[in-house]
Amino acid sequence: KQEVTQIPAALSVPEGENLVLNCSFTDSAIYNLQWFRQDPGKGLTSLLLIQSSQREQTSGRLNASLDKSSGRSTLYIAASQPGDSATYLCAVHDTNKLIFGTGTLLAVQP
Amino acid sequence: GAVVSQHPSRVICKSGTSVKIECRSLDFQATTMFWYRQFPKQSLMLMATSNEGSKATYEQGVEKDKFLINHASLTLSTLTVTSAHPEDSSFYICSASYRAYGNEQFFGPGTRLTVL
Repeated sequence: KQEVTQIPAALSVPEGENLVLNCSFTDSAIYNLQWFRQDPGKGLTSLLLIQSSQREQTSGRLNASLDKSSGRSTLYIAASQPGDSATYLCAVHDTNKLIFGTGTLLAVQP
Repeated sequence: GAVVSQHPSRVICKSGTSVKIECRSLDFQATTMFWYRQFPKQSLMLMATSNEGSKATYEQGVEKDKFLINHASLTLSTLTVTSAHPEDSSFYICSASYRAYGNEQFFGPGTRLTVL
């Protein structure tokens, strides 16, 4: 059974810092991996989707990497801003299902 | 493109009543729709998967008679919480996918259900 874990559960950083969020999964047979952002009481905003054949994807200040063999993905956020404060979720596409991680609550202090 | 809406965004009901939540794909035809549930400070848990015109497939531990799912058209799926109880209070999120977009899911904004 696929299990997805995110570390750390919560993170607080001062504005301007670069930071890394971690996601690990137990079964490497995935179609792709996706990173989402969720603001309090809101739905999900898709940030990056990495296909299983890819090793990374970039969008603006965000860079996501994928290492299927080790069951790991990282989300790198450069020059963090208070507006980046949110919960970040990773999810793996396992057959036709999305299996979500436990989330990382990020607070960027001005 | 690929916009998914949910209605209502927030609902409060009395214990014992039934509540219907709608999920619509606004600019594409969704061959598959998914319903998730999220408790406070927890991640999303898949409840069921529905394909247009066929019965939903429920995840283990989800009561199909409690959570009725109907996917009558390629743009609309509904989740009905029957005889709601306070423990059903949660954030319900739907998503939709279309074959031409691969298996990427597009998410609705969620519905906050509070059962008194």
